[in-house]
Amino acid sequence: KAGVTQTPRYLIKTRGQQVTLSCSPISGHRSVSWYQQTPGQGLQFLFEYFSETQRNKGNFPGRFSGRQFSNSRSEMNVSTLELGDSALYLCASSLRPTGADEQFFGPGTRLTVL
Amino acid sequence: GNSVTQMEGPVTLSEEAFLTINCTYTATGYPSLFWYVQYPGEGLQLLLKATKADDKGSNKGFEATYRKETTSFHLEKGSVQVSDSAVYFCALSAMNTGFQKLVFGTGTRLLVSP
Repeated sequence: KAGVTQTPRYLIKTRGQQVTLSCSPISGHRSVSWYQQTPGQGLQFLFEYFSETQRNKGNFPGRFSGRQFSNSRSEMNVSTLELGDSALYLCASSLRPTGADEQFFGPGTRLTVL
Repeated sequence: GNSVTQMEGPVTLSEEAFLTINCTYTATGYPSLFWYVQYPGEGLQLLLKATKADDKGSNKGFEATYRKETTSFHLEKGSVQVSDSAVYFCALSAMNTGFQKLVFGTGTRLLVSP
């Protein structure tokens, strides 16, 4: 079974630009979550989607947004990029949004903002 | 709010040494507890989990016991290998914040030398 895939793997942007990251969950998984990983702040929850609905959102500014499609694939968008947005963005999927179901993580997209 | 505290790294050990990485948590109610591992250039992999008090999670020689009385979930391995070198994250999920929102500790880097 294919794992969680994230595209692109690496991205370089300049301040003020916007970026869209994509995540394809494991086949059959309907829950997708996004995390930001930085050396300073560690791993922080961004948002969670289930059945195309955002169920939970972390403490990030409105420049960070996301969506989920009917095939469970998810995208996140960051507008007006800032230097501090440079990070590894991780996507995780699970069958259902319960504590009993394991979340499987993708390899991440490394975003560098210059 | 919910939080996880784990020991600072790096932890440097020789092959076949005993490993302990401490993790304590603060949470409302009865969270599920996890240990994730991150190898260089990769996403997170679930190492083990425990969903209720006194549960012991185990995998690949690693163990951790959910201790509600001490709010701890320490990771142990009897004999580490060079291939165990990675960053280890303790995490929790709780019903009151949505199960899919994992709250992570800061991570502990383990370096095992031959």
